[in-house]
Amino acid sequence: DVKVTQSSRYLVKRTGEKVFLECVQDMDHENMFWYRQDPGLGLRLIYFSYDVKMKEKGDIPEGYSVSREKKERFSLILESASTNQTSMYLCASLPGTPDSNQPQHFGDGTRLSIL
Amino acid sequence: AQKVTQAQTEISVVEKEDVTLDCVYETRDTTYYLFWYKQPPSGELVFLIRRNSFDEQNEISGRYSWNFQKSTSSFNFTITASQVVDSAVYFCALRGYGQNFVFGPGTRLSVLP
Repeated sequence: DVKVTQSSRYLVKRTGEKVFLECVQDMDHENMFWYRQDPGLGLRLIYFSYDVKMKEKGDIPEGYSVSREKKERFSLILESASTNQTSMYLCASLPGTPDSNQPQHFGDGTRLSIL
Repeated sequence: AQKVTQAQTEISVVEKEDVTLDCVYETRDTTYYLFWYKQPPSGELVFLIRRNSFDEQNEISGRYSWNFQKSTSSFNFTITASQVVDSAVYFCALRGYGQNFVFGPGTRLSVLP
């Protein structure tokens, strides 16, 4: 089974802090994604990566950056956390080419609270 | 632009009732893929089914069935004889060829004993 592991289930940080959310997948998938999930809005794409060192902006990249130094690891960075970034963050991986019709595999999510 | 609408925000049923979750999508792509995911309270999204745009055959898997109709741009999901373990948030998602995934807002299903 594919395993996508997010480093924390719950995280509490303060406004202005730099926050790192880590995601690791164990199936050698080329593609990785970061979403945030908010009630009534579904999942919204923040950033994605189709290969090591590559990154692409999603629909809501403002206030975030990412890092993909190794194929299995995709990190989401909140440069200066703000209260409107309080949310559930989900990491996903996807096998094959970027236009693959395969389903994404998701981690358990990180519930982040910014105080 | 791609869009997924799940008009039902929350549904409550009593165990053993049948329930249908609606999904309506918009896309200009001729090739696209539709997905359903289940998100139990634990948080992880679990993949349930994928449908390709050129395959309108409906599918049944145990108590689950899916009705894909291109004419109405709908991909509805029915649970027969619902159980408490079916309680979750269900997401419908669309992916146009070469595009990113677009998710609906989700439907929270509560199955009461």
